[in-house]
Amino acid sequence: SQTIHQWPATLVQPVGSPLSLECTVEGTSNPNLYWYRQAAGRGLQLLFYSVGIGQISSEVPQNLSASRPQDRQFILSSKKLLLSDSGFYLCAWRTQGATEAFFGQGTRLTVV
Amino acid sequence: AQSVSQHNHHVILSEAASLELGCNYSYGGTVNLFWYVQYPGQHLQLLLKYFSGDPLVKGIKGFEAEFIKSKFSFNLRKPSVQWSDTAEYFCAVNQAGTALIFGKGTTLSVSS
Repeated sequence: SQTIHQWPATLVQPVGSPLSLECTVEGTSNPNLYWYRQAAGRGLQLLFYSVGIGQISSEVPQNLSASRPQDRQFILSSKKLLLSDSGFYLCAWRTQGATEAFFGQGTRLTVV
Repeated sequence: AQSVSQHNHHVILSEAASLELGCNYSYGGTVNLFWYVQYPGQHLQLLLKYFSGDPLVKGIKGFEAEFIKSKFSFNLRKPSVQWSDTAEYFCAVNQAGTALIFGKGTTLSVSS
């Protein structure tokens, strides 16, 4: 069966520090991968999506970037965190051609 | 721009009360519609979905939703809520091959 792993679960980082959040999917190949952010009062905002290795589409221009070095690995990064980067980050995957997406457990990021 | 609106930010009900959470979308053409739920401390999970056919769809735990195309709506309902329904509920929409776009979410608090 397919599973999605996202880590760490919680993270507290100082302003200006780098960020790396990792998401991996098991049990499927060539999935579509997504990063969402849930900020207080703003719902789930799509940040990046990827339809294949090295293919990244950005939905919202900001301080973050994403990479997909392997088929089932999706990484969210920042060189210098801002206070406004605080939030709950969710990774999701979907089989190509399917409509339902599945979500990871999420990472609670607090920038201090 | 495509968007999803959830009318209620926070709903407070007593057990056995009926529930209706509103969701409207602004998309042209054929859409897929979803309701996701996030229970406290758990990951986001699918409650129900609509792709085509009968506009009244039934999901898990006694929830149902009705797609009304003329109103661009997909409201979530449950005749009698339970304390265990306390959670955050997200409406989401996509079209074939596109990422899910979420509403801002509705927090439901059910008192026993």
